[in-house]
Amino acid sequence: SQQGEEDPQALSIQEGENATMNCSYKTSINNLQWYRQNSGRGLVHLILIRSNEREKHSGRLRVTLDTSKKSSSLLITASRAADTASYFCATGGMTGADKLIFGTGTRLQVFP
Amino acid sequence: EPEVTQTPSHQVTQMGQEVILRCVPISNHLYFYWYRQILGQKVEFLVSFYNNEISEKSEIFDDQFSVERPDGSNFTLKIRSTKLEDSAMYFCAAGGETQYFGPGTRLLVL
Repeated sequence: SQQGEEDPQALSIQEGENATMNCSYKTSINNLQWYRQNSGRGLVHLILIRSNEREKHSGRLRVTLDTSKKSSSLLITASRAADTASYFCATGGMTGADKLIFGTGTRLQVFP
Repeated sequence: EPEVTQTPSHQVTQMGQEVILRCVPISNHLYFYWYRQILGQKVEFLVSFYNNEISEKSEIFDDQFSVERPDGSNFTLKIRSTKLEDSAMYFCAAGGETQYFGPGTRLLVL
């Protein structure tokens, strides 16, 4: 698999449900970040988790990181129609300002 | 959230023409990046820029590409002779550990 592969590729849920997206990567990382992209628009930074952290919360977002399995998950609780977007994980290398390597993304559709 | 701006938002050009994509990054950040996203595909790293020089570039960033920070504020990506396969969304980013992305320039090469 490639650095930064996500599953599922697409996810459809009803408003109020939780959405979980997973990301796997291959190399050693300094951090892992999640971004959101609305259709045809720019990337919005959501949350960053460092390699020495296991879990992080931001509002309705919860991110976990398991460096032994080289995987991360993004949980969006109590989803809203406005959460409809593509979600990408991106890994940062071993130095603080390294390039980001993006995953393939999960397309989330939240139905009202 | 800090803002990175990009111009133009859309550009259509003929194959073989030169294009310059512009970005105004956040002024207090030192690292700048260009990424691209071909329609329906993942975001790919092109080049990073620090202290007025390229710090890293990808295989995509061949001799047809160049970057400049001509006046201390604008950050440009030039494609010297565009090809059909250069059609993509081009994103500028600024930051370091956390990167802030601009809204992108959609480039269409005909």
